[in-house]
Amino acid sequence: TQLLEQSPQFLSIQEGENLTVYCNSSSVFSSLQWYRQEPGEGPVLLVTVVTGGEVKKLKRLTFQFGDARKDSSLHITAAQPGDTGLYLCAGRLVAGYSTLTFGKGTMLLVSP
Amino acid sequence: GAGVSQTPSNKVTEKGKYVELRCDPISGHTALYWYRQSLGQGPEFLIYFQGTGAADDSGLPNDRFFAVRPEGSVSTLKIQRTERGDSAVYLCASSLAGGEANEQFFGPGTRLTVL
Repeated sequence: TQLLEQSPQFLSIQEGENLTVYCNSSSVFSSLQWYRQEPGEGPVLLVTVVTGGEVKKLKRLTFQFGDARKDSSLHITAAQPGDTGLYLCAGRLVAGYSTLTFGKGTMLLVSP
Repeated sequence: GAGVSQTPSNKVTEKGKYVELRCDPISGHTALYWYRQSLGQGPEFLIYFQGTGAADDSGLPNDRFFAVRPEGSVSTLKIQRTERGDSAVYLCASSLAGGEANEQFFGPGTRLTVL
């Protein structure tokens, strides 16, 4: 059983479209992170959310942590081909815990 | 500055052989992590070092897997009697210290293929 479920698994869109990807769990997380991974590279941290209901913006990316700290979403406005990659959510079940639990990821393909 | 480096970038071996995968963390980072990423999956935690000692090895799948970090910098992941199911990308990450507040920086990974 996957602790963090990500949906959709794959998303193919045209440049300029908006999209939302989701990360859901039945467990409460102390904090949740979103990463982007490109082929042949390791994941790169985009954002960390720690407070229930928290919203963070990073240029065209908006991240939200659910009120109950069990889920999160990533919204991209006006997607660009450079946004293409695997988007991974990862969380920590215990406050202060070092190790991360990852979801399977959403593969995003943005075509020109 | 240099990021996390991993060698080799690719390793092909035969079933039953022994392999070693190396990770060079960012200089000064005391915490080091190993993850395994199978095709179509997210990274799966294997082991976490704080300094020279393994602070959490709960993710190692069985006793064929072992990792060391003798001087608190470079780490080696060792896999004995490799099996086809061990084929995956092995990722290493380091952070300034352990704990939730410190960002983990990932290397590019070693792609292991067991024939």
